[in-house]
Amino acid sequence: GAVVSQHPSRVICKSGTSVKIECRSLDFQATTMFWYRQFPKQSLMLMATSNEGSKATYEQGVEKDKFLINHASLTLSTLTVTSAHPEDSSFYICSAFARDSLFGIDSPLHFGNGTRLTVT
Amino acid sequence: GQQVMQIPQYQHVQEGEDFTTYCNSSTTLSNIQWYKQRPGGHPVFLIQLVKSGEVKKQKRLTFQFGEAKKNSSLHITATQTTDVGTYFCAEEYNFNKFYFGSGTKLNVKP
Repeated sequence: GAVVSQHPSRVICKSGTSVKIECRSLDFQATTMFWYRQFPKQSLMLMATSNEGSKATYEQGVEKDKFLINHASLTLSTLTVTSAHPEDSSFYICSAFARDSLFGIDSPLHFGNGTRLTVT
Repeated sequence: GQQVMQIPQYQHVQEGEDFTTYCNSSTTLSNIQWYKQRPGGHPVFLIQLVKSGEVKKQKRLTFQFGEAKKNSSLHITATQTTDVGTYFCAEEYNFNKFYFGSGTKLNVKP
């Protein structure tokens, strides 16, 4: 169980266009979804925290108008990179989270496979 | 932002040697989690530590949480090539966010 589907896995777009990335928890309802960005050989940087039906909470330095997050249901969150530029090229990865009882006492993050965005 | 430091950044070992990665925080942690990310893959949950001084084992992996809940370690005994990957610790902040350490990339030479 605990499968998180993220797509697309790869996308190449031209500068100035927008790209939408979807993250779905397939077999459980996630109370929260997190969006991370990972640069090559680096750690995962938290971008935003998303709860169903409420506005996302963005980390300091992350432009909310640039990275639009919609959390329409307990199983779906989307990240839209608006007016993408080459510096937005990165690996974006979502994770779904459900507290406690679904997984015993542990509360792990379940990650999607990530989206490699290349902006030309 | 991130409050947990992780060392070393890289570790190259010969197969059969042991490996340890450490995470340190300046603040007391509510809990700490460990993840493994294989090359080209996504992070996969390994363990969660909650109690002061807690020690958990998974086969050749031993996880420890410090008495003050400010540090944690992951030790792998007799590494195998399948252990290759990057190991991250992650702290839960304010019970609603997870910040990851910088990671330790493990390379195991056969």
